[in-house]
Amino acid sequence: GAVVSQHPSWVICKSGTSVKIECRSLDFQATTMFWYRQFPKQSLMLMATSNEGSKATYEQGVEKDKFLINHASLTLSTLTVTSAHPEDSSFYICSARVPGGETQYFGPGTRLLVL
Amino acid sequence: GENVEQHPSTLSVQEGDSAVIKCTYSDSASNYFPWYKQELGKRPQLIIDIRSNVGEKKDQRIAVTLNKTAKHFSLHITETQPEDSAVYFCAAGSGGSEKLVFGKGTKLTVNP
Repeated sequence: GAVVSQHPSWVICKSGTSVKIECRSLDFQATTMFWYRQFPKQSLMLMATSNEGSKATYEQGVEKDKFLINHASLTLSTLTVTSAHPEDSSFYICSARVPGGETQYFGPGTRLLVL
Repeated sequence: GENVEQHPSTLSVQEGDSAVIKCTYSDSASNYFPWYKQELGKRPQLIIDIRSNVGEKKDQRIAVTLNKTAKHFSLHITETQPEDSAVYFCAAGSGGSEKLVFGKGTKLTVNP
């Protein structure tokens, strides 16, 4: 149980385009999902907390107009990187919490390369 | 806000030896401390966690200890195997904020 999927696993795009990443909880309903960014050989940096049916809570320094988060259902949250630039190239990972629990289960991540 | 420090950043041991990774946290309200293992290019996977009402927890070769007074917790891996090689992250969280704050990670290498 507690499986989280992410799509796509890899994406290469041109500078200036937008990219959408999906995060799904496959066998449970997640009222809260989290989006992280991880640069090579670095730790997981929380970008935002995504709550079903309400606006996401962004961490300090994360541009909410650039990283659009939508949590439209109890099993799906999406992250859209708008007008992507090479510095946005990174490994984006989502996680989801089982309702009533504290454990976060991570998706497999999406590697974004902006040319 | 919460700050989590993790040491060492790299650790190399011989197969069969023990490995210890230590973390400290700053927020006394934190009450949940998970440890994740991340292999190269893969997702972080929970290996063990501990809550502040418990001082020690063990699962086969893996154990975690928590010292609330000193605000530090440690991961202990005994009888290490090459497949234990990975990056290990500690984290701290509190029920109120929901989110986890991660340490910078420890790259563990187990040499055969």
